[in-house]
Amino acid sequence: QSALTQPPSASGSPGQSVTISCTGTSSDVGGYNYVSWYQQHPGKAPKLMIYEVSKRPSGVPDRFSGSKSGNTASLTVSGLQAEDEGDYYCGSYAGSNNLVFGGGTKVTVL
Amino acid sequence: QLQLQESGPGLVKPSETLSLTCTVSGGSISSSTYYWGWIRQPPGRGLEWIGSIYYSGSTYYNPSLKSRVTISVDTSKNQFSLKLSSVTAADTALYYCARRIGDYINYWGQGTLVTVSS
Repeated sequence: QSALTQPPSASGSPGQSVTISCTGTSSDVGGYNYVSWYQQHPGKAPKLMIYEVSKRPSGVPDRFSGSKSGNTASLTVSGLQAEDEGDYYCGSYAGSNNLVFGGGTKVTVL
Repeated sequence: QLQLQESGPGLVKPSETLSLTCTVSGGSISSSTYYWGWIRQPPGRGLEWIGSIYYSGSTYYNPSLKSRVTISVDTSKNQFSLKLSSVTAADTALYYCARRIGDYINYWGQGTLVTVSS
């Protein structure tokens, strides 16, 4: 299984929106509605932000939203805040009880 | 509150076997709801799924690592373990243990850095 493809970086000013893409194949992203997104701050463990394409765990602000079309999933952060700066990783179910992750996107709040 | 804590040597020699243990507290590893897994992150790079285990002992490995990986569980100690054989410098990474529910990870350990060097 190959890593999912994410842009290396994305940025936006406070209050604006930023969207991160995550491209896979029909064997992972496109084949299942099982895409998740994780936020990672420097020196910290990743934190689940979105699961099953668009569901938010308790405590995650509704500024974070997810979607999917074909083999590409997206995470949108609306109303950017300084604390949203960090690395974001997508993950997907890849069949046979395995997962695959993306290479990560560094989000900068300008 | 569930906590996962990785432990093991921080330095492993090339060609040897990397061994890590994850101790779970605040919850039972024998729950039928969850899988327990390992994920690694090479310095400055992205996440890589290594594999997971169910409390019954069923295992699922990343195909690219399958020939070198063994994950086991000890329900009496509420622990699960990772062994990665024939390591090289490419296996240098921050290793996380994690709790998986279905298709996503909802709890992560803090991670432990393992360096492969002679």
